[in-house]
Amino acid sequence: GAVVSQHPSWVICKSGTSVKIECRSLDFQATTMFWYRQFPKQSLMLMATSNEGSKATYEQGVEKDKFLINHASLTLSTLTVTSAHPEDSSFYICSARDEGRWDTQYFGPGTRLTVL
Amino acid sequence: KQEVTQIPAALSVPEGENLVLNCSFTDSAIYNLQWFRQDPGKGLTSLLLIQSSQREQTSGRLNASLDKSSGRSTLYIAASQPGDSATYLCAVFSSGSARQLTFGSGTQLTVLP
Repeated sequence: GAVVSQHPSWVICKSGTSVKIECRSLDFQATTMFWYRQFPKQSLMLMATSNEGSKATYEQGVEKDKFLINHASLTLSTLTVTSAHPEDSSFYICSARDEGRWDTQYFGPGTRLTVL
Repeated sequence: KQEVTQIPAALSVPEGENLVLNCSFTDSAIYNLQWFRQDPGKGLTSLLLIQSSQREQTSGRLNASLDKSSGRSTLYIAASQPGDSATYLCAVFSSGSARQLTFGSGTQLTVLP
């Protein structure tokens, strides 16, 4: 199946710093990618839809100035958590939609963010 | 707004048992439904995808069914093994302008050796 990678797989940072997470579709082009957040023992919550060449669409309650999304190419979307705080600590998962395979979404392995 | 519910939230069975995980959704206007597996601290592994026009999909010991009109799907696992222990997530891809996956809260499965 199609492969989506995320980098880094885990990151620990100090409060107030910014962290960038990359999501890449390795063997297909993705006009649309998605960013999810998952707290312990909870399900995935959609944060935003990343659209290549245009602004991301954020879900209600997600601060767009805090979670900056850039989808500059058909294989790369980035999520930057700005001025991170301990409450931003979570598991962030991206997915990429493959329009050539019935819009199937392929998920990355996730990034564990810990803010001290 | 689409809502997805999974029952039970947790399930513990002895090895070798056949089991059924349930998923229900409120809006039947779906494009497809997927079942995923998630191991602790890991990402998602896609198990089965059922298109809205299909009624079931099979992969090895797994069988997923879809009844779109009633808003239900089941994941059947035959001859369960300890390696099947994980959280199983159901996700619905809504059609129309939303075109996004909505996840259920998952069923945490433990298969005891």
